[in-house]
Amino acid sequence: EVQLVESGGGLVQPGRSLKLSCVASGFTFSNYGMNWIRQAPGKGLEWVAYISSGSSYIYYAETVKGRFTISRDNAKNTLYLQMTSLRSEDTALYYCARLRTFDYWGQGVMVTVSS
Amino acid sequence: EIVLTQSPTTMAASPGEKVTLTCRASSSVSYMHWYQQKSGASPKLWIYDTSNRASGVPNRFSGSGSGTSYSLTISSMETEDAATYYCQQWSSNPPTFGSGTKLEIK
Repeated sequence: EVQLVESGGGLVQPGRSLKLSCVASGFTFSNYGMNWIRQAPGKGLEWVAYISSGSSYIYYAETVKGRFTISRDNAKNTLYLQMTSLRSEDTALYYCARLRTFDYWGQGVMVTVSS
Repeated sequence: EIVLTQSPTTMAASPGEKVTLTCRASSSVSYMHWYQQKSGASPKLWIYDTSNRASGVPNRFSGSGSGTSYSLTISSMETEDAATYYCQQWSSNPPTFGSGTKLEIK
């Protein structure tokens, strides 16, 4: 069974940093591209970043480019999102999702940016 | 960036009613994916590559479309189908989502 479990969220002040993790199981993680997608409270879905299976291709949404860094450790079956210079508008539930089809999603981890 | 416009924003349907949700793209896309999200839950892939049902999706759901116009149809609405449905494209970067259609049971 495919499982994606996010962690690392919390309350953080504007301008500070936070690092999210997504641990994958139930499939060969190193063979799949992965994404971060977020959803602000009561709002729709916004794609944040993508990393290919071997980390050769990385894409970001314009809203986070230069502030967020996606990475992965295939040996640990783990996807990361390093978030810096956080803003109030980054407040959201952050999901990791597999493939460019987003065929499996985690349960999400909440990030709240507030003073 | 390709903008996806979903309509209606909200609708209510009676059990047994046929339902059609639409998604229009600002530029032509090669395919469309659809996701179902119930309150408090993660989104689920529902229809992929325009017309393919994801695993476990009832066959009362179908998808169709091409170019800039796509749709998701429920042949006969059931209570469990109440949810928000999002369309999504990745024909070009960045991938984008529609703003969703909230489907309620009447």
